Amino acid sequence: GEDVEQSLFLSVREGDSSVINCTYTDSSSTYLYWYKQEPGAGLQLLTYIFSNMDMKQDQRLTVLLNKKDKHLSLRIADTQTGDSAIYFCAESNDYKLSFGAGTTVTVRA
Amino acid sequence: GAVVSQHPSWVICKSGTSVKIECRSLDFQATTMFWYRQFPKQSLMLMATSNEGSKATYEQGVEKDKFLINHASLTLSTLTVTSAHPEDSSFYICSASRDGAKGYTFGSGTRLTVV
Repeated sequence: GEDVEQSLFLSVREGDSSVINCTYTDSSSTYLYWYKQEPGAGLQLLTYIFSNMDMKQDQRLTVLLNKKDKHLSLRIADTQTGDSAIYFCAESNDYKLSFGAGTTVTVRA
Repeated sequence: GAVVSQHPSWVICKSGTSVKIECRSLDFQATTMFWYRQFPKQSLMLMATSNEGSKATYEQGVEKDKFLINHASLTLSTLTVTSAHPEDSSFYICSASRDGAKGYTFGSGTRLTVV
């Protein structure tokens, strides 16, 4: 089956950039996603990237995709306290999503 | 756009009773919805794919008689946890897609506690 792996924790100072990394194994993934989950809430789609792209930028968010290495990253510029949450990387092949375990991002003052 | 409403947001029930969770797509039609289960500090595990007008497709290891899924209309899917036990306590989340693979919208989740 597909495996998606990401580091579990990231601590970043307010105002700095956060970089969350993810690796996946399914080379036939069509889309890759980043979701944000705040405590007790559902998942919020932050951004997604089609597998034939290598970069996508959306305001403070930059997604980089290295398809050769099957590596996906999410950079959050000027990290704010409201960015504290769990971030999930996910990939889809056909219509099913496979999620990583989530990276807990803690923003410290 | 693309709002998915899930209800209830939390429920406490006694062992042996059944609980129904609703997932609605508010501003779009969803022929396919998905049900996930999330354990504390863990990722989401796909339980089943709900197909409008036909039987749900369950993932390996998920008991279809335990987790009944009904997708009677293009905007509503329900998950019924039958004869609930404490080990069924978890966070259940549904999702639906309006634009195909480009965008899966998730409900806000249901925290089920079985006592």
